[in-house]
Amino acid sequence: GNSVTQMEGPVTLSEEAFLTINCTYTATGYPSLFWYVQYPGEGLQLLLKATKADDKGSNKGFEATYRKETTSFHLEKGSVQVSDSAVYFCALRRGGSEKLVFGKGTKLTVNP
Amino acid sequence: EAGVAQSPRYKIIEKRQSVAFWCNPISGHATLYWYQQILGQGPKLLIQFQNNGVVDDSQLPKDRFSAERLKGVDSTLKIQPAKLEDSAVYLCASSLDGGFEKLFFGSGTQLSVL
Repeated sequence: GNSVTQMEGPVTLSEEAFLTINCTYTATGYPSLFWYVQYPGEGLQLLLKATKADDKGSNKGFEATYRKETTSFHLEKGSVQVSDSAVYFCALRRGGSEKLVFGKGTKLTVNP
Repeated sequence: EAGVAQSPRYKIIEKRQSVAFWCNPISGHATLYWYQQILGQGPKLLIQFQNNGVVDDSQLPKDRFSAERLKGVDSTLKIQPAKLEDSAVYLCASSLDGGFEKLFFGSGTQLSVL
């Protein structure tokens, strides 16, 4: 079946550190891939997306590249800020389906 | 524009009791979703509505969970009777036309079943 595996958290970094949150997927066909972010006390928000192989999604300094050969969609940011502290969810939507499948989430804490 | 509104924000009940959650999607959004997010897990889709019709309820435990969207706007999700394993955050989301690029989530209702 379709599934998403994220690196275990929590992740704690200092401000301006480099961030990588790993995400790999299993899916039939060619899914679309997403990163959602959930700030404390708020609902999930779409952070970025990629709909086909080699696409790079980017937003707010975050990037992720759809790698079909490694079935991965790792989230990266070159210099994190305290305001990036949140839970990050990787998700996929299989082509032809409207159902989003989420990973378990990775909690990021950035200290000043 | 106003976001997706959910209430209550928190609810504590005892097992075997009943509980209901309410969701008001963004005005004009035809598609409405209910997700269950158990602590330490990602959200899981329970039910999807298109206007007032059900599109997907394959993961809804229909022996105890029910949901309705009578006028194609507000929606309620009910659990009767609740079990300990129903403790979770229940998220409502809406989109204009089912597209995930424009999917908006509410803040959720945190349910604790004791």
